[in-house]
Amino acid sequence: TQLLEQSPQFLSIQEGENLTVYCNSSSVFSSLQWYRQEPGEGPVLLVTVVTGGEVKKLKRLTFQFGDARKDSSLHITAAQPGDTGLYLCAGDSGGSNYKLTFGKGTLLTVNP
Amino acid sequence: DAGITQSPRHKVTETGTPVTLRCHQTENHRYMYWYRQDPGHGLRLIHYSYGVKDTDKGEVSDGYSVSRSKTEDFLLTLESATSSQTSVYFCAIRDRQETQYFGPGTRLLVL
Repeated sequence: TQLLEQSPQFLSIQEGENLTVYCNSSSVFSSLQWYRQEPGEGPVLLVTVVTGGEVKKLKRLTFQFGDARKDSSLHITAAQPGDTGLYLCAGDSGGSNYKLTFGKGTLLTVNP
Repeated sequence: DAGITQSPRHKVTETGTPVTLRCHQTENHRYMYWYRQDPGHGLRLIHYSYGVKDTDKGEVSDGYSVSRSKTEDFLLTLESATSSQTSVYFCAIRDRQETQYFGPGTRLLVL
């Protein structure tokens, strides 16, 4: 069974601070996805990274896929209260039925 | 918006009763998934479908069954609900760009 370890599990910061969330595994993934989930709603896709070493930017969010495609990070610059939510990483092992393995999530609170 | 709806959105039931949750999609995607989300466990795959009448088990399939008699509907059934099945259930579809999109969820409480 493939596992994805996310850290930290909880993060509470002040508006304007920077933060990094990590997603690590001993397994190789063909792609890795990052989702954000708000209370009472389903996860919403932020980005998919596919190539080892790939870096993608989405406004103040920077996503990186490790060279070996076993780990990923999400960095938020100058966090805002609107960034508050549960961040989930999910790895696709590349099997024929496209099953995702999810990390347990990082609950981010950005205080004004 | 991937056109996914789930019903009911909330349900309270008693131990031992059967429960069926429905996932409906409007865009004819082949792959559909059922997950449960629990504190400390994240999202875990229950069952998935890769076409009409084609389904397979995920990592936490015990106590659950599924059916897909037409492309747009994927049903999840708890044959005899237990308190351990209290959870939030999410349906997802996979589009042609290999991205999974999630429905709004069903919050189930088994008393």
